[in-house]
Amino acid sequence: TQLLEQSPQFLSIQEGENLTVYCNSSSVFSSLQWYRQEPGEGPVLLVTVVTGGEVKKLKRLTFQFGDARKDSSLHITAAQPGDTGLYLCAGELGGNQFYFGTGTSLTVIP
Amino acid sequence: KAGVTQTPRYLIKTRGQQVTLSCSPISGHRSVSWYQQTPGQGLQFLFEYFSETQRNKGNFPGRFSGRQFSNSRSEMNVSTLELGDSALYLCASSLLTAKNIQYFGAGTRLSVL
Repeated sequence: TQLLEQSPQFLSIQEGENLTVYCNSSSVFSSLQWYRQEPGEGPVLLVTVVTGGEVKKLKRLTFQFGDARKDSSLHITAAQPGDTGLYLCAGELGGNQFYFGTGTSLTVIP
Repeated sequence: KAGVTQTPRYLIKTRGQQVTLSCSPISGHRSVSWYQQTPGQGLQFLFEYFSETQRNKGNFPGRFSGRQFSNSRSEMNVSTLELGDSALYLCASSLLTAKNIQYFGAGTRLSVL
């Protein structure tokens, strides 16, 4: 059983479309992170959210941490082919130990 | 500044053998974590080391072990390899003062035949 459930598992969209990826859990996290991983590489940190209800924006990406710190979402506006990759959420329960979701594989078609 | 370096990048072993993977963290980073990534289970935490001490351990059998040296470099060892150990093994380093930020290496792809 995964501590963090991500949905959808796979997403294929046309360039210019918007999308949202969800990360849900029944556990409360001290912080939650989003990563993007490309083939043959390790995950690269996109953002860390710490406070319940927190919203962070990174260009066309908007990240939100749920009020209860159990869930998070990633919204991409006007997706581009360069956004293609595996998106991973990771929750920290404490003590620098992170639990990862199973990931959302995004393909943006030109 | 060099990133996290993992060696080797690819490894092929047979069942029953043992394997040692190496991770050199970013200079100045003293925390090193190891993860196993498979298509079915995703990224799963193995263990974390700080100042040569294991601070956290995930839910993996005792065949998986690790250590950290005084220069913060880390190794992980898997003994009596099983087919299910085939995976991408990732190492991440972080600064004590910014423990929420992990920097990952490119990983070691282990195939067990």
